[in-house]
Amino acid sequence: SQKIEQNSEALNIQEGKTATLTCNYTNYSPAYLQWYRQDPGRGPVFLLLIRENEKEKRKERLKVTFDTTLKQSLFHITASQPADSATYLCALLNYGGSQGNLIFGKGTKLSVKP
Amino acid sequence: EADIYQTPRYLVIGTGKKITLECSQTMGHDKMYWYQQDPGMELHLIHYSYGVNSTEKGDLSSESTVSRIRTEHFPLTLESARPSHTSQYLCASSEWEGHRLIYTFGSGTRLTVV
Repeated sequence: SQKIEQNSEALNIQEGKTATLTCNYTNYSPAYLQWYRQDPGRGPVFLLLIRENEKEKRKERLKVTFDTTLKQSLFHITASQPADSATYLCALLNYGGSQGNLIFGKGTKLSVKP
Repeated sequence: EADIYQTPRYLVIGTGKKITLECSQTMGHDKMYWYQQDPGMELHLIHYSYGVNSTEKGDLSSESTVSRIRTEHFPLTLESARPSHTSQYLCASSEWEGHRLIYTFGSGTRLTVV
């Protein structure tokens, strides 16, 4: 079945810089890939979705890219702020195990220092 | 604000007790889920439901059970709590927006079994 790898458990950056988070998947290319934000003690919140035929998607300071050749998505936060500190999860549909359900990566914990 | 509600937010209970974690959503979503998440770890799907009277086991084996008698309500029950059940339990529901499956999560119940 599909596996997701978010290669950094933690990322520390300075306020104002661009944060780049990586999501790799191991098997088939999904029709789309999603990114969620999770704050401590809370449930994940949907941020962005990118389809396999889209190279790039933007929403305010967020940008997501999707490279089906590399089996990779990059998630960028430009002009980062301390309020962006959270764990960011990559998710895609799993056609193995529980078919038609999203599977989530372990997440990357982003800390933005003032 | 989230339209999916979980109660209680925190629960400390003794070994051997029966507990029910409540989850309700007001969005009319057919599909609902329960995830288990330990601190700093990934989400594991333990149960899901396609709709009323439907319950399925997820990818992670769990001693809990679920029921779906009404669309809006998806409670999770542990007949006899053990310390190994200590974790955060997240409920979610989903809907298809066009061809995209988007999840909405509750704030979670943090369970501690002593």
